[in-house]
Amino acid sequence: GEDVEQSLFLSVREGDSSVINCTYTDSSSTYLYWYKQEPGAGLQLLTYIFSNMDMKQDQRLTVLLNKKDKHLSLRIADTQTGDSAIYFCAEGSNSGYALNFGKGTSLLVTP
Amino acid sequence: KAGVTQTPRYLIKTRGQQVTLSCSPISGHRSVSWYQQTPGQGLQFLFEYFSETQRNKGNFPGRFSGRQFSNSRSEMNVSTLELGDSALYLCASNSAWGEQYFGPGTRLTVT
Repeated sequence: GEDVEQSLFLSVREGDSSVINCTYTDSSSTYLYWYKQEPGAGLQLLTYIFSNMDMKQDQRLTVLLNKKDKHLSLRIADTQTGDSAIYFCAEGSNSGYALNFGKGTSLLVTP
Repeated sequence: KAGVTQTPRYLIKTRGQQVTLSCSPISGHRSVSWYQQTPGQGLQFLFEYFSETQRNKGNFPGRFSGRQFSNSRSEMNVSTLELGDSALYLCASNSAWGEQYFGPGTRLTVT
């Protein structure tokens, strides 16, 4: 499919907020996901949002969705060194579970 | 409840051989998806199975095949291995509500 776009790298200081951005491709996408991958591990589902929502908050995580611009963001409040990982944005439809992933954003949290 | 299990975790095969990877989804989940992850191409969808039927298929050659059993366990097979098949193969267990949970992956090295 077409590319889901993410910036490749983000560096923040411990305690600051991180914002990871994503532009997706399919205006008919039903679900939009954020996953975290640590070195040598599989993908951890962080959160997901239905396309009929604008925002979803889950503890330190806030997802914002702008359907008009096909823009998705993930905000991590009070970022910790344990948040250092690669974060993937993905879009999916309700016709099945064939997700289209971005290339991932590598988040580095420095003390 | 138990997570997604994949076996084996690591495999080394020779070009031309074939390989079978196994995935056991979360209990109660009837849909399983498979993905290939490489540094160059990122995460690419292979196929999805629901109740023993292939529901979606990605853009991979016919050497890649899969199946699902009545207990929802799934296998994928790659025949006539090529060097470019070296990758992390990820299985995801899909809930009925849009959540997709990934296993730790099988790292395949083709020499």
